[in-house]
Amino acid sequence: AQTVTQSQPEMSVQEAETVTLSCTYDTSENNYYLFWYKQPPSRQMILVIRQEAYKQQNATENRFSVNFQKAAKSFSLKISDSQLGDTAMYFCAFAGGTSYGKLTFGQGTILTVHP
Amino acid sequence: DTGVSQNPRHKITKRGQNVTFRCDPISEHNRLYWYRQTLGQGPEFLTYFQNEAQLEKSRLLSDRFSAERPKGSFSTLEIQRTEQGDSAMYLCASSLGGGLQETQYFGPGTRLLVL
Repeated sequence: AQTVTQSQPEMSVQEAETVTLSCTYDTSENNYYLFWYKQPPSRQMILVIRQEAYKQQNATENRFSVNFQKAAKSFSLKISDSQLGDTAMYFCAFAGGTSYGKLTFGQGTILTVHP
Repeated sequence: DTGVSQNPRHKITKRGQNVTFRCDPISEHNRLYWYRQTLGQGPEFLTYFQNEAQLEKSRLLSDRFSAERPKGSFSTLEIQRTEQGDSAMYLCASSLGGGLQETQYFGPGTRLLVL
């Protein structure tokens, strides 16, 4: 069974600064994807970024990038130039092996961006 | 593309009553997932459908829970003889395919409170 752990229940950052959210996972699968999903207050969860395990290059989506350390089973999210709209709960998630796309989520990190 | 919709958005019921939730996925999405999210936690997988076929159920889905997706369109999740422990947010998500890399699009959720 896969497990996903987010050890930071809450984080805060000043607007325009950079923040990094941590995630570790455990799996015996070789073929898998990792995701970061964002859940704004009272709004729907949306995908922020995804990383394929076979790709060594870290994924980047505008201000969002990941640091994928496969051997360490670490998958952190870096948000650059933080904006007030980045305030949300962030979930790290795993899909792999025969899971047929079902996601295993971490506990989440509440990120607050201060003006 | 109107997104994933869920109804009702909120449901308050008394212990022992039956409740039914509905999810309308994005049209032409053949995968549909149900998750349960308790306060301050990440979503937990309950079940998923490929078109009208229910392919996997989590151990979290006791005999009191049943889900259907007739004709591969909308889905319903019914909880019989509700218990206080069933209080949670029930999330529905859909995806176009079943690959590990597929983006899951989430609905706003149905928040259930069992008194």
